[in-house]
Amino acid sequence: GESVGLHLPTLSVQEGDNSIINCAYSNSASDYFIWYKQESGKGPQFIIDIRSNMDKRQGQRVTVLLNKTVKHLSLQIAATQPGDSAVYFCAEGGPNSNYQLIWGAGTKLIIKP
Amino acid sequence: NAGVTQTPKFQVLKTGQSMTLQCAQDMNHEYMSWYRQDPGMGLRLIHYSVGAGITDQGEVPNGYNVSRSTTEDFPLRLLSAAPSQTSVYFCASSEGTGPYTFGSGTRLTVV
Repeated sequence: GESVGLHLPTLSVQEGDNSIINCAYSNSASDYFIWYKQESGKGPQFIIDIRSNMDKRQGQRVTVLLNKTVKHLSLQIAATQPGDSAVYFCAEGGPNSNYQLIWGAGTKLIIKP
Repeated sequence: NAGVTQTPKFQVLKTGQSMTLQCAQDMNHEYMSWYRQDPGMGLRLIHYSVGAGITDQGEVPNGYNVSRSTTEDFPLRLLSAAPSQTSVYFCASSEGTGPYTFGSGTRLTVV
């Protein structure tokens, strides 16, 4: 994904609502996709991943959807809480990159009380 | 089980100085990587390793060297620091085709 520098896309969501964060990936050969959460001053924290033989995977309060036709990935967070405030990154990997992750620019999630 | 440990957490260098950022993992992961993250940006891959004795360049390797003599350690060397290398550096490790575990980062300022 292309970086947008200091102007990260921002999503504002009311506490308790569901959040949907979208990501477009670039490489058709990628077969592994992952979402990370990064809080201010901390390293990225793994949320959920999915392989290309699946189109949906659920975790605790999170769901990842993969649409290979349009190369689109989304992260759904149910019942958003204040602790969900962070920057969320999607990343892709595959045999062409030796499974090194190619990162998107990130989306900043803001929770409104 | 400490995960991925990075040292130091903060460092200030003068232009032209050299230093090594340390990274160690205790999960017996084969894959290790170094990234840099500039303000408001995503992570960019500097160098990576798929096993002891094997290293390769990432997206932004210039100005950095790495070595992987053991499975546990993957140090990143800056030979002659430049202000453009001011950034936050993250080390990560993985079993291979699975999620990477990240360290807490080293915040480097070059003046």
